[in-house]
Amino acid sequence: DGGITQSPKYLFRKEGQNVTLSCEQNLNHDAMYWYRQDPGQGLRLIYYSQIVNDFQKGDIAEGYSVSREKKESFPLTVTSAQKNPTAFYLCASKFGTTDEKLFFGSGTQLSVL
Amino acid sequence: EDQVTQSPEALRLQEGESSSLNCSYTVSGLRGLFWYRQDPGKGPEFLFTLYSAGEEKEKERLKATLTKKESFLHITAPKPEDSATYLCAVQVGGYQKVTFGTGTKLQVIP
Repeated sequence: DGGITQSPKYLFRKEGQNVTLSCEQNLNHDAMYWYRQDPGQGLRLIYYSQIVNDFQKGDIAEGYSVSREKKESFPLTVTSAQKNPTAFYLCASKFGTTDEKLFFGSGTQLSVL
Repeated sequence: EDQVTQSPEALRLQEGESSSLNCSYTVSGLRGLFWYRQDPGKGPEFLFTLYSAGEEKEKERLKATLTKKESFLHITAPKPEDSATYLCAVQVGGYQKVTFGTGTKLQVIP
């Protein structure tokens, strides 16, 4: 079955540590996205990528980094520069050249130890 | 700067009590307005896409409408299983950036 897989489901970060969240899709979508969701809040855009080897900052990119070396994969690294990383992280994808809906993964809950 | 505002933040309804959720937007060149439903601890699920003012879409007890400045999600005779957070999002023409509102948390009481 086609879909988006995020891993791990739960992740804990120690102070000063970088952690990487995985996002893989087998939908042949061009565009991929990372959103952050805080409790009781909507989704805020961190980074998005329209094609391989290209990505743009969203509204809250500071303290995060991404790569897009393969069409299927869009990993997100939460760096030590992100001082308040505790949140629910959602990866999404869609066909890049149309106004199609987003398909979401099941999310990763990141907490600070 | 593109802005999307949803109201109310939270809504509590009795089963069968119809109501509407609002999504106001300020963008240049709207390409599409989307409604999603999100259950706790899960990713959002797509409900509707609206492209132009005057357009309407329906699905079961839900009906979405669009004007030049806002969209409404009408819920007719809701059931407890309609309880969720409803998110509105916009895509601006020429770009793949999709901006979400803060959501409306709906609780339907039996």
